[in-house]
Order: sequence, then structure tokens, then C-alpha cells
Amino acid sequence: DSGVTQTPKHLITATGQRVTLRCSPRSGDLSVYWYQQSLDQGLQFLIQYYNGEERAKGNILERFSAQQFPDLHSELNLSSLELGDSALYFCASSDPPPGYTFGSGTRLTVV
Amino acid sequence: QKEVEQDPGPLSVPEGAIVSLNCTYSNSAFQYFMWYRQYSRKGPELLMYTYSSGNKEDGRFTAQVDKSSKYISLFIRDSQPSDSATYLCAMDSQGGSEKLVFGKGTKLTVNP
Repeated sequence: DSGVTQTPKHLITATGQRVTLRCSPRSGDLSVYWYQQSLDQGLQFLIQYYNGEERAKGNILERFSAQQFPDLHSELNLSSLELGDSALYFCASSDPPPGYTFGSGTRLTVV
Repeated sequence: QKEVEQDPGPLSVPEGAIVSLNCTYSNSAFQYFMWYRQYSRKGPELLMYTYSSGNKEDGRFTAQVDKSSKYISLFIRDSQPSDSATYLCAMDSQGGSEKLVFGKGTKLTVNP
């Protein structure tokens, strides 16, 4: 167990729907990162939060949003889902660096 | 040109072989270089990290960084079937306090 908890582990939903992925970072870690992993693109950075504030943004679609709550858990919201959004979504936390600790991911399948 | 290039393989070797995994990169600002191991259906786990150029050894694993060539390597000695996984290189300029840039990963199979 890495200490980073992601729920749910698997999610199957239809196109056009909205889902929320949840992440609890390691105890004491202030940074949370979200990554998308697909077969053709590899691990792609989506967004980073640090102590509740957005710190950096990557190739995150406008249909996707995230937030980090006062208890430091984070949620990634994906809306108007398309088939191409099917992927593994990872959350990671780090404090201090270098490197991250990843959760075990949420496998999203859009049908 | 992608910031980080990594040969996806797959790479298949017999048990006991020496494995060499490599990445090239284009951003000269990168200072921190990491290797992650990812087993099937699991999250990546940090294997080793190196700051700037040079070598770092940890048991059967050796990481090398050549900043002049923008080339990093991971060597696995006496490879074991349990080493079968996908290996991802990652790098950034701030030591992980901002986003890491990952290679696509090399899938390694070590055959008993």
C-alpha cells in the first residue's frame, strides 16, 4: 500500500455522463497530482494542487476539472464523457520531493 | 520532438541477463531523473532517482545520467522474473515539486 488512496478502482459509464474520481494523498503530503495514462499517450500530466490551491495545469480538457479540499483529499471531475476518455487515471502526492508516490489508479471505461 | 523519448519495446530476456533501459530527452533544464516501475494494473512506484549527471547504484539496479548527451539509462543485473514490468523514465527541473515528464515506458519480460 503506497499510502495514496484512489476510489473507485473501476468505473464503467456511458458517453455523455459525468463521473468523479477521488484521491486521498499520503498523510502529511500537501501536493496532489493527477495523471491520465493511455496506451498511445503514456502518462500525461493533468493538474496539480498544493494545499488547496491550483499550482500547475497540463493538458487538461475543459470538460475536466479538479479541486483539493481542506482535508487535502482531491477530486477529479470528468464530464460529457467521450469514448476517448477511457484510460487509467492516477493520483500522486509528494512532499517533500523528489518523485511522487502514486495511487493504484482508477480505470475508467466509457461505453 | 517529444520532451522525453523511450523505446516501448517490448523487451524479453532470459533470467540472469543484464538489462539496459534508456531514455533521451530534449529539455536541457531537466536536473532530476527518475525511474519508475509499473506492474500490470498497478500504479508506478519510484525505483531510483538521480540528480544531475553521474551514476547511482542500488542493489541490482544502476542509474546513469549523461547530461551532455541528454541520455539516461537504467541497468538491471541478474534480472529476475519478478522484474517483469513496465519501466518508465521521468524527469523535471525542480525535483518533483512540479510536474514530472514521463517517457511512455518500456515493457520488460524476464523469462525463467
